[in-house]
Amino acid sequence: ETGVTQTPRHLVMGMTNKKSLKCEQHLGHNAMYWYKQSAKKPLELMFVYNFKEQTENNSVPSRFSPECPNSSHLFLHLHTLQPEDSALYLCASSQVGGRATDTQYFGPGTRLTVL
Amino acid sequence: GESVGLHLPTLSVQEGDNSIINCAYSNSASDYFIWYKQESGKGPQFIIDIRSNMDKRQGQRVTVLLNKTVKHLSLQIAATQPGDSAVYFCAENRGSGTYKYIFGTGTRLKVLA
Repeated sequence: ETGVTQTPRHLVMGMTNKKSLKCEQHLGHNAMYWYKQSAKKPLELMFVYNFKEQTENNSVPSRFSPECPNSSHLFLHLHTLQPEDSALYLCASSQVGGRATDTQYFGPGTRLTVL
Repeated sequence: GESVGLHLPTLSVQEGDNSIINCAYSNSASDYFIWYKQESGKGPQFIIDIRSNMDKRQGQRVTVLLNKTVKHLSLQIAATQPGDSAVYFCAENRGSGTYKYIFGTGTRLKVLA
């Protein structure tokens, strides 16, 4: 295991629901990331937090709302999603974000299906 | 446009043979590259990395080669095993100060018994 855990592993929600994804890293890292992985598309960076501060929002719709209460935990709050938001959502962490050789370690992902 | 791409979407290799997975990148300013392995139902797993001041790096059964002249990256897996079956993709980092890795779409490696 990589030291990055995500819950739930699978989530099915309606377009009017509100749900949250959780990520926790046990690596002592200071940067955490949310990615979206859709079929046959490259990983898409959504948000970056470095030392609990959001440093990147990659033009993500406001129906996705991240929260980082501390360097070990990261949440992605979801509301009024669309079917095209169905994807695998991956969390990653790294020692310090923004450094050229900063390797990112990924969690197993949450498979989200929006009905 | 700038991109990281993989030449082959699927690669089938006989068990015990060597595998070579290729990746092309277009930004000559990229200075750090990572290969990830993603098995079904799992997140991407770090395999090996290489900096642009190197042209070869070896790990356990894996070797990454970097050809900056043609902006090409390859992952070689020696004595491919069934457990190597997965999607492999490369990622490039375009320098210090950016959080953005550019990921390729991936190559699926199938190991034939």
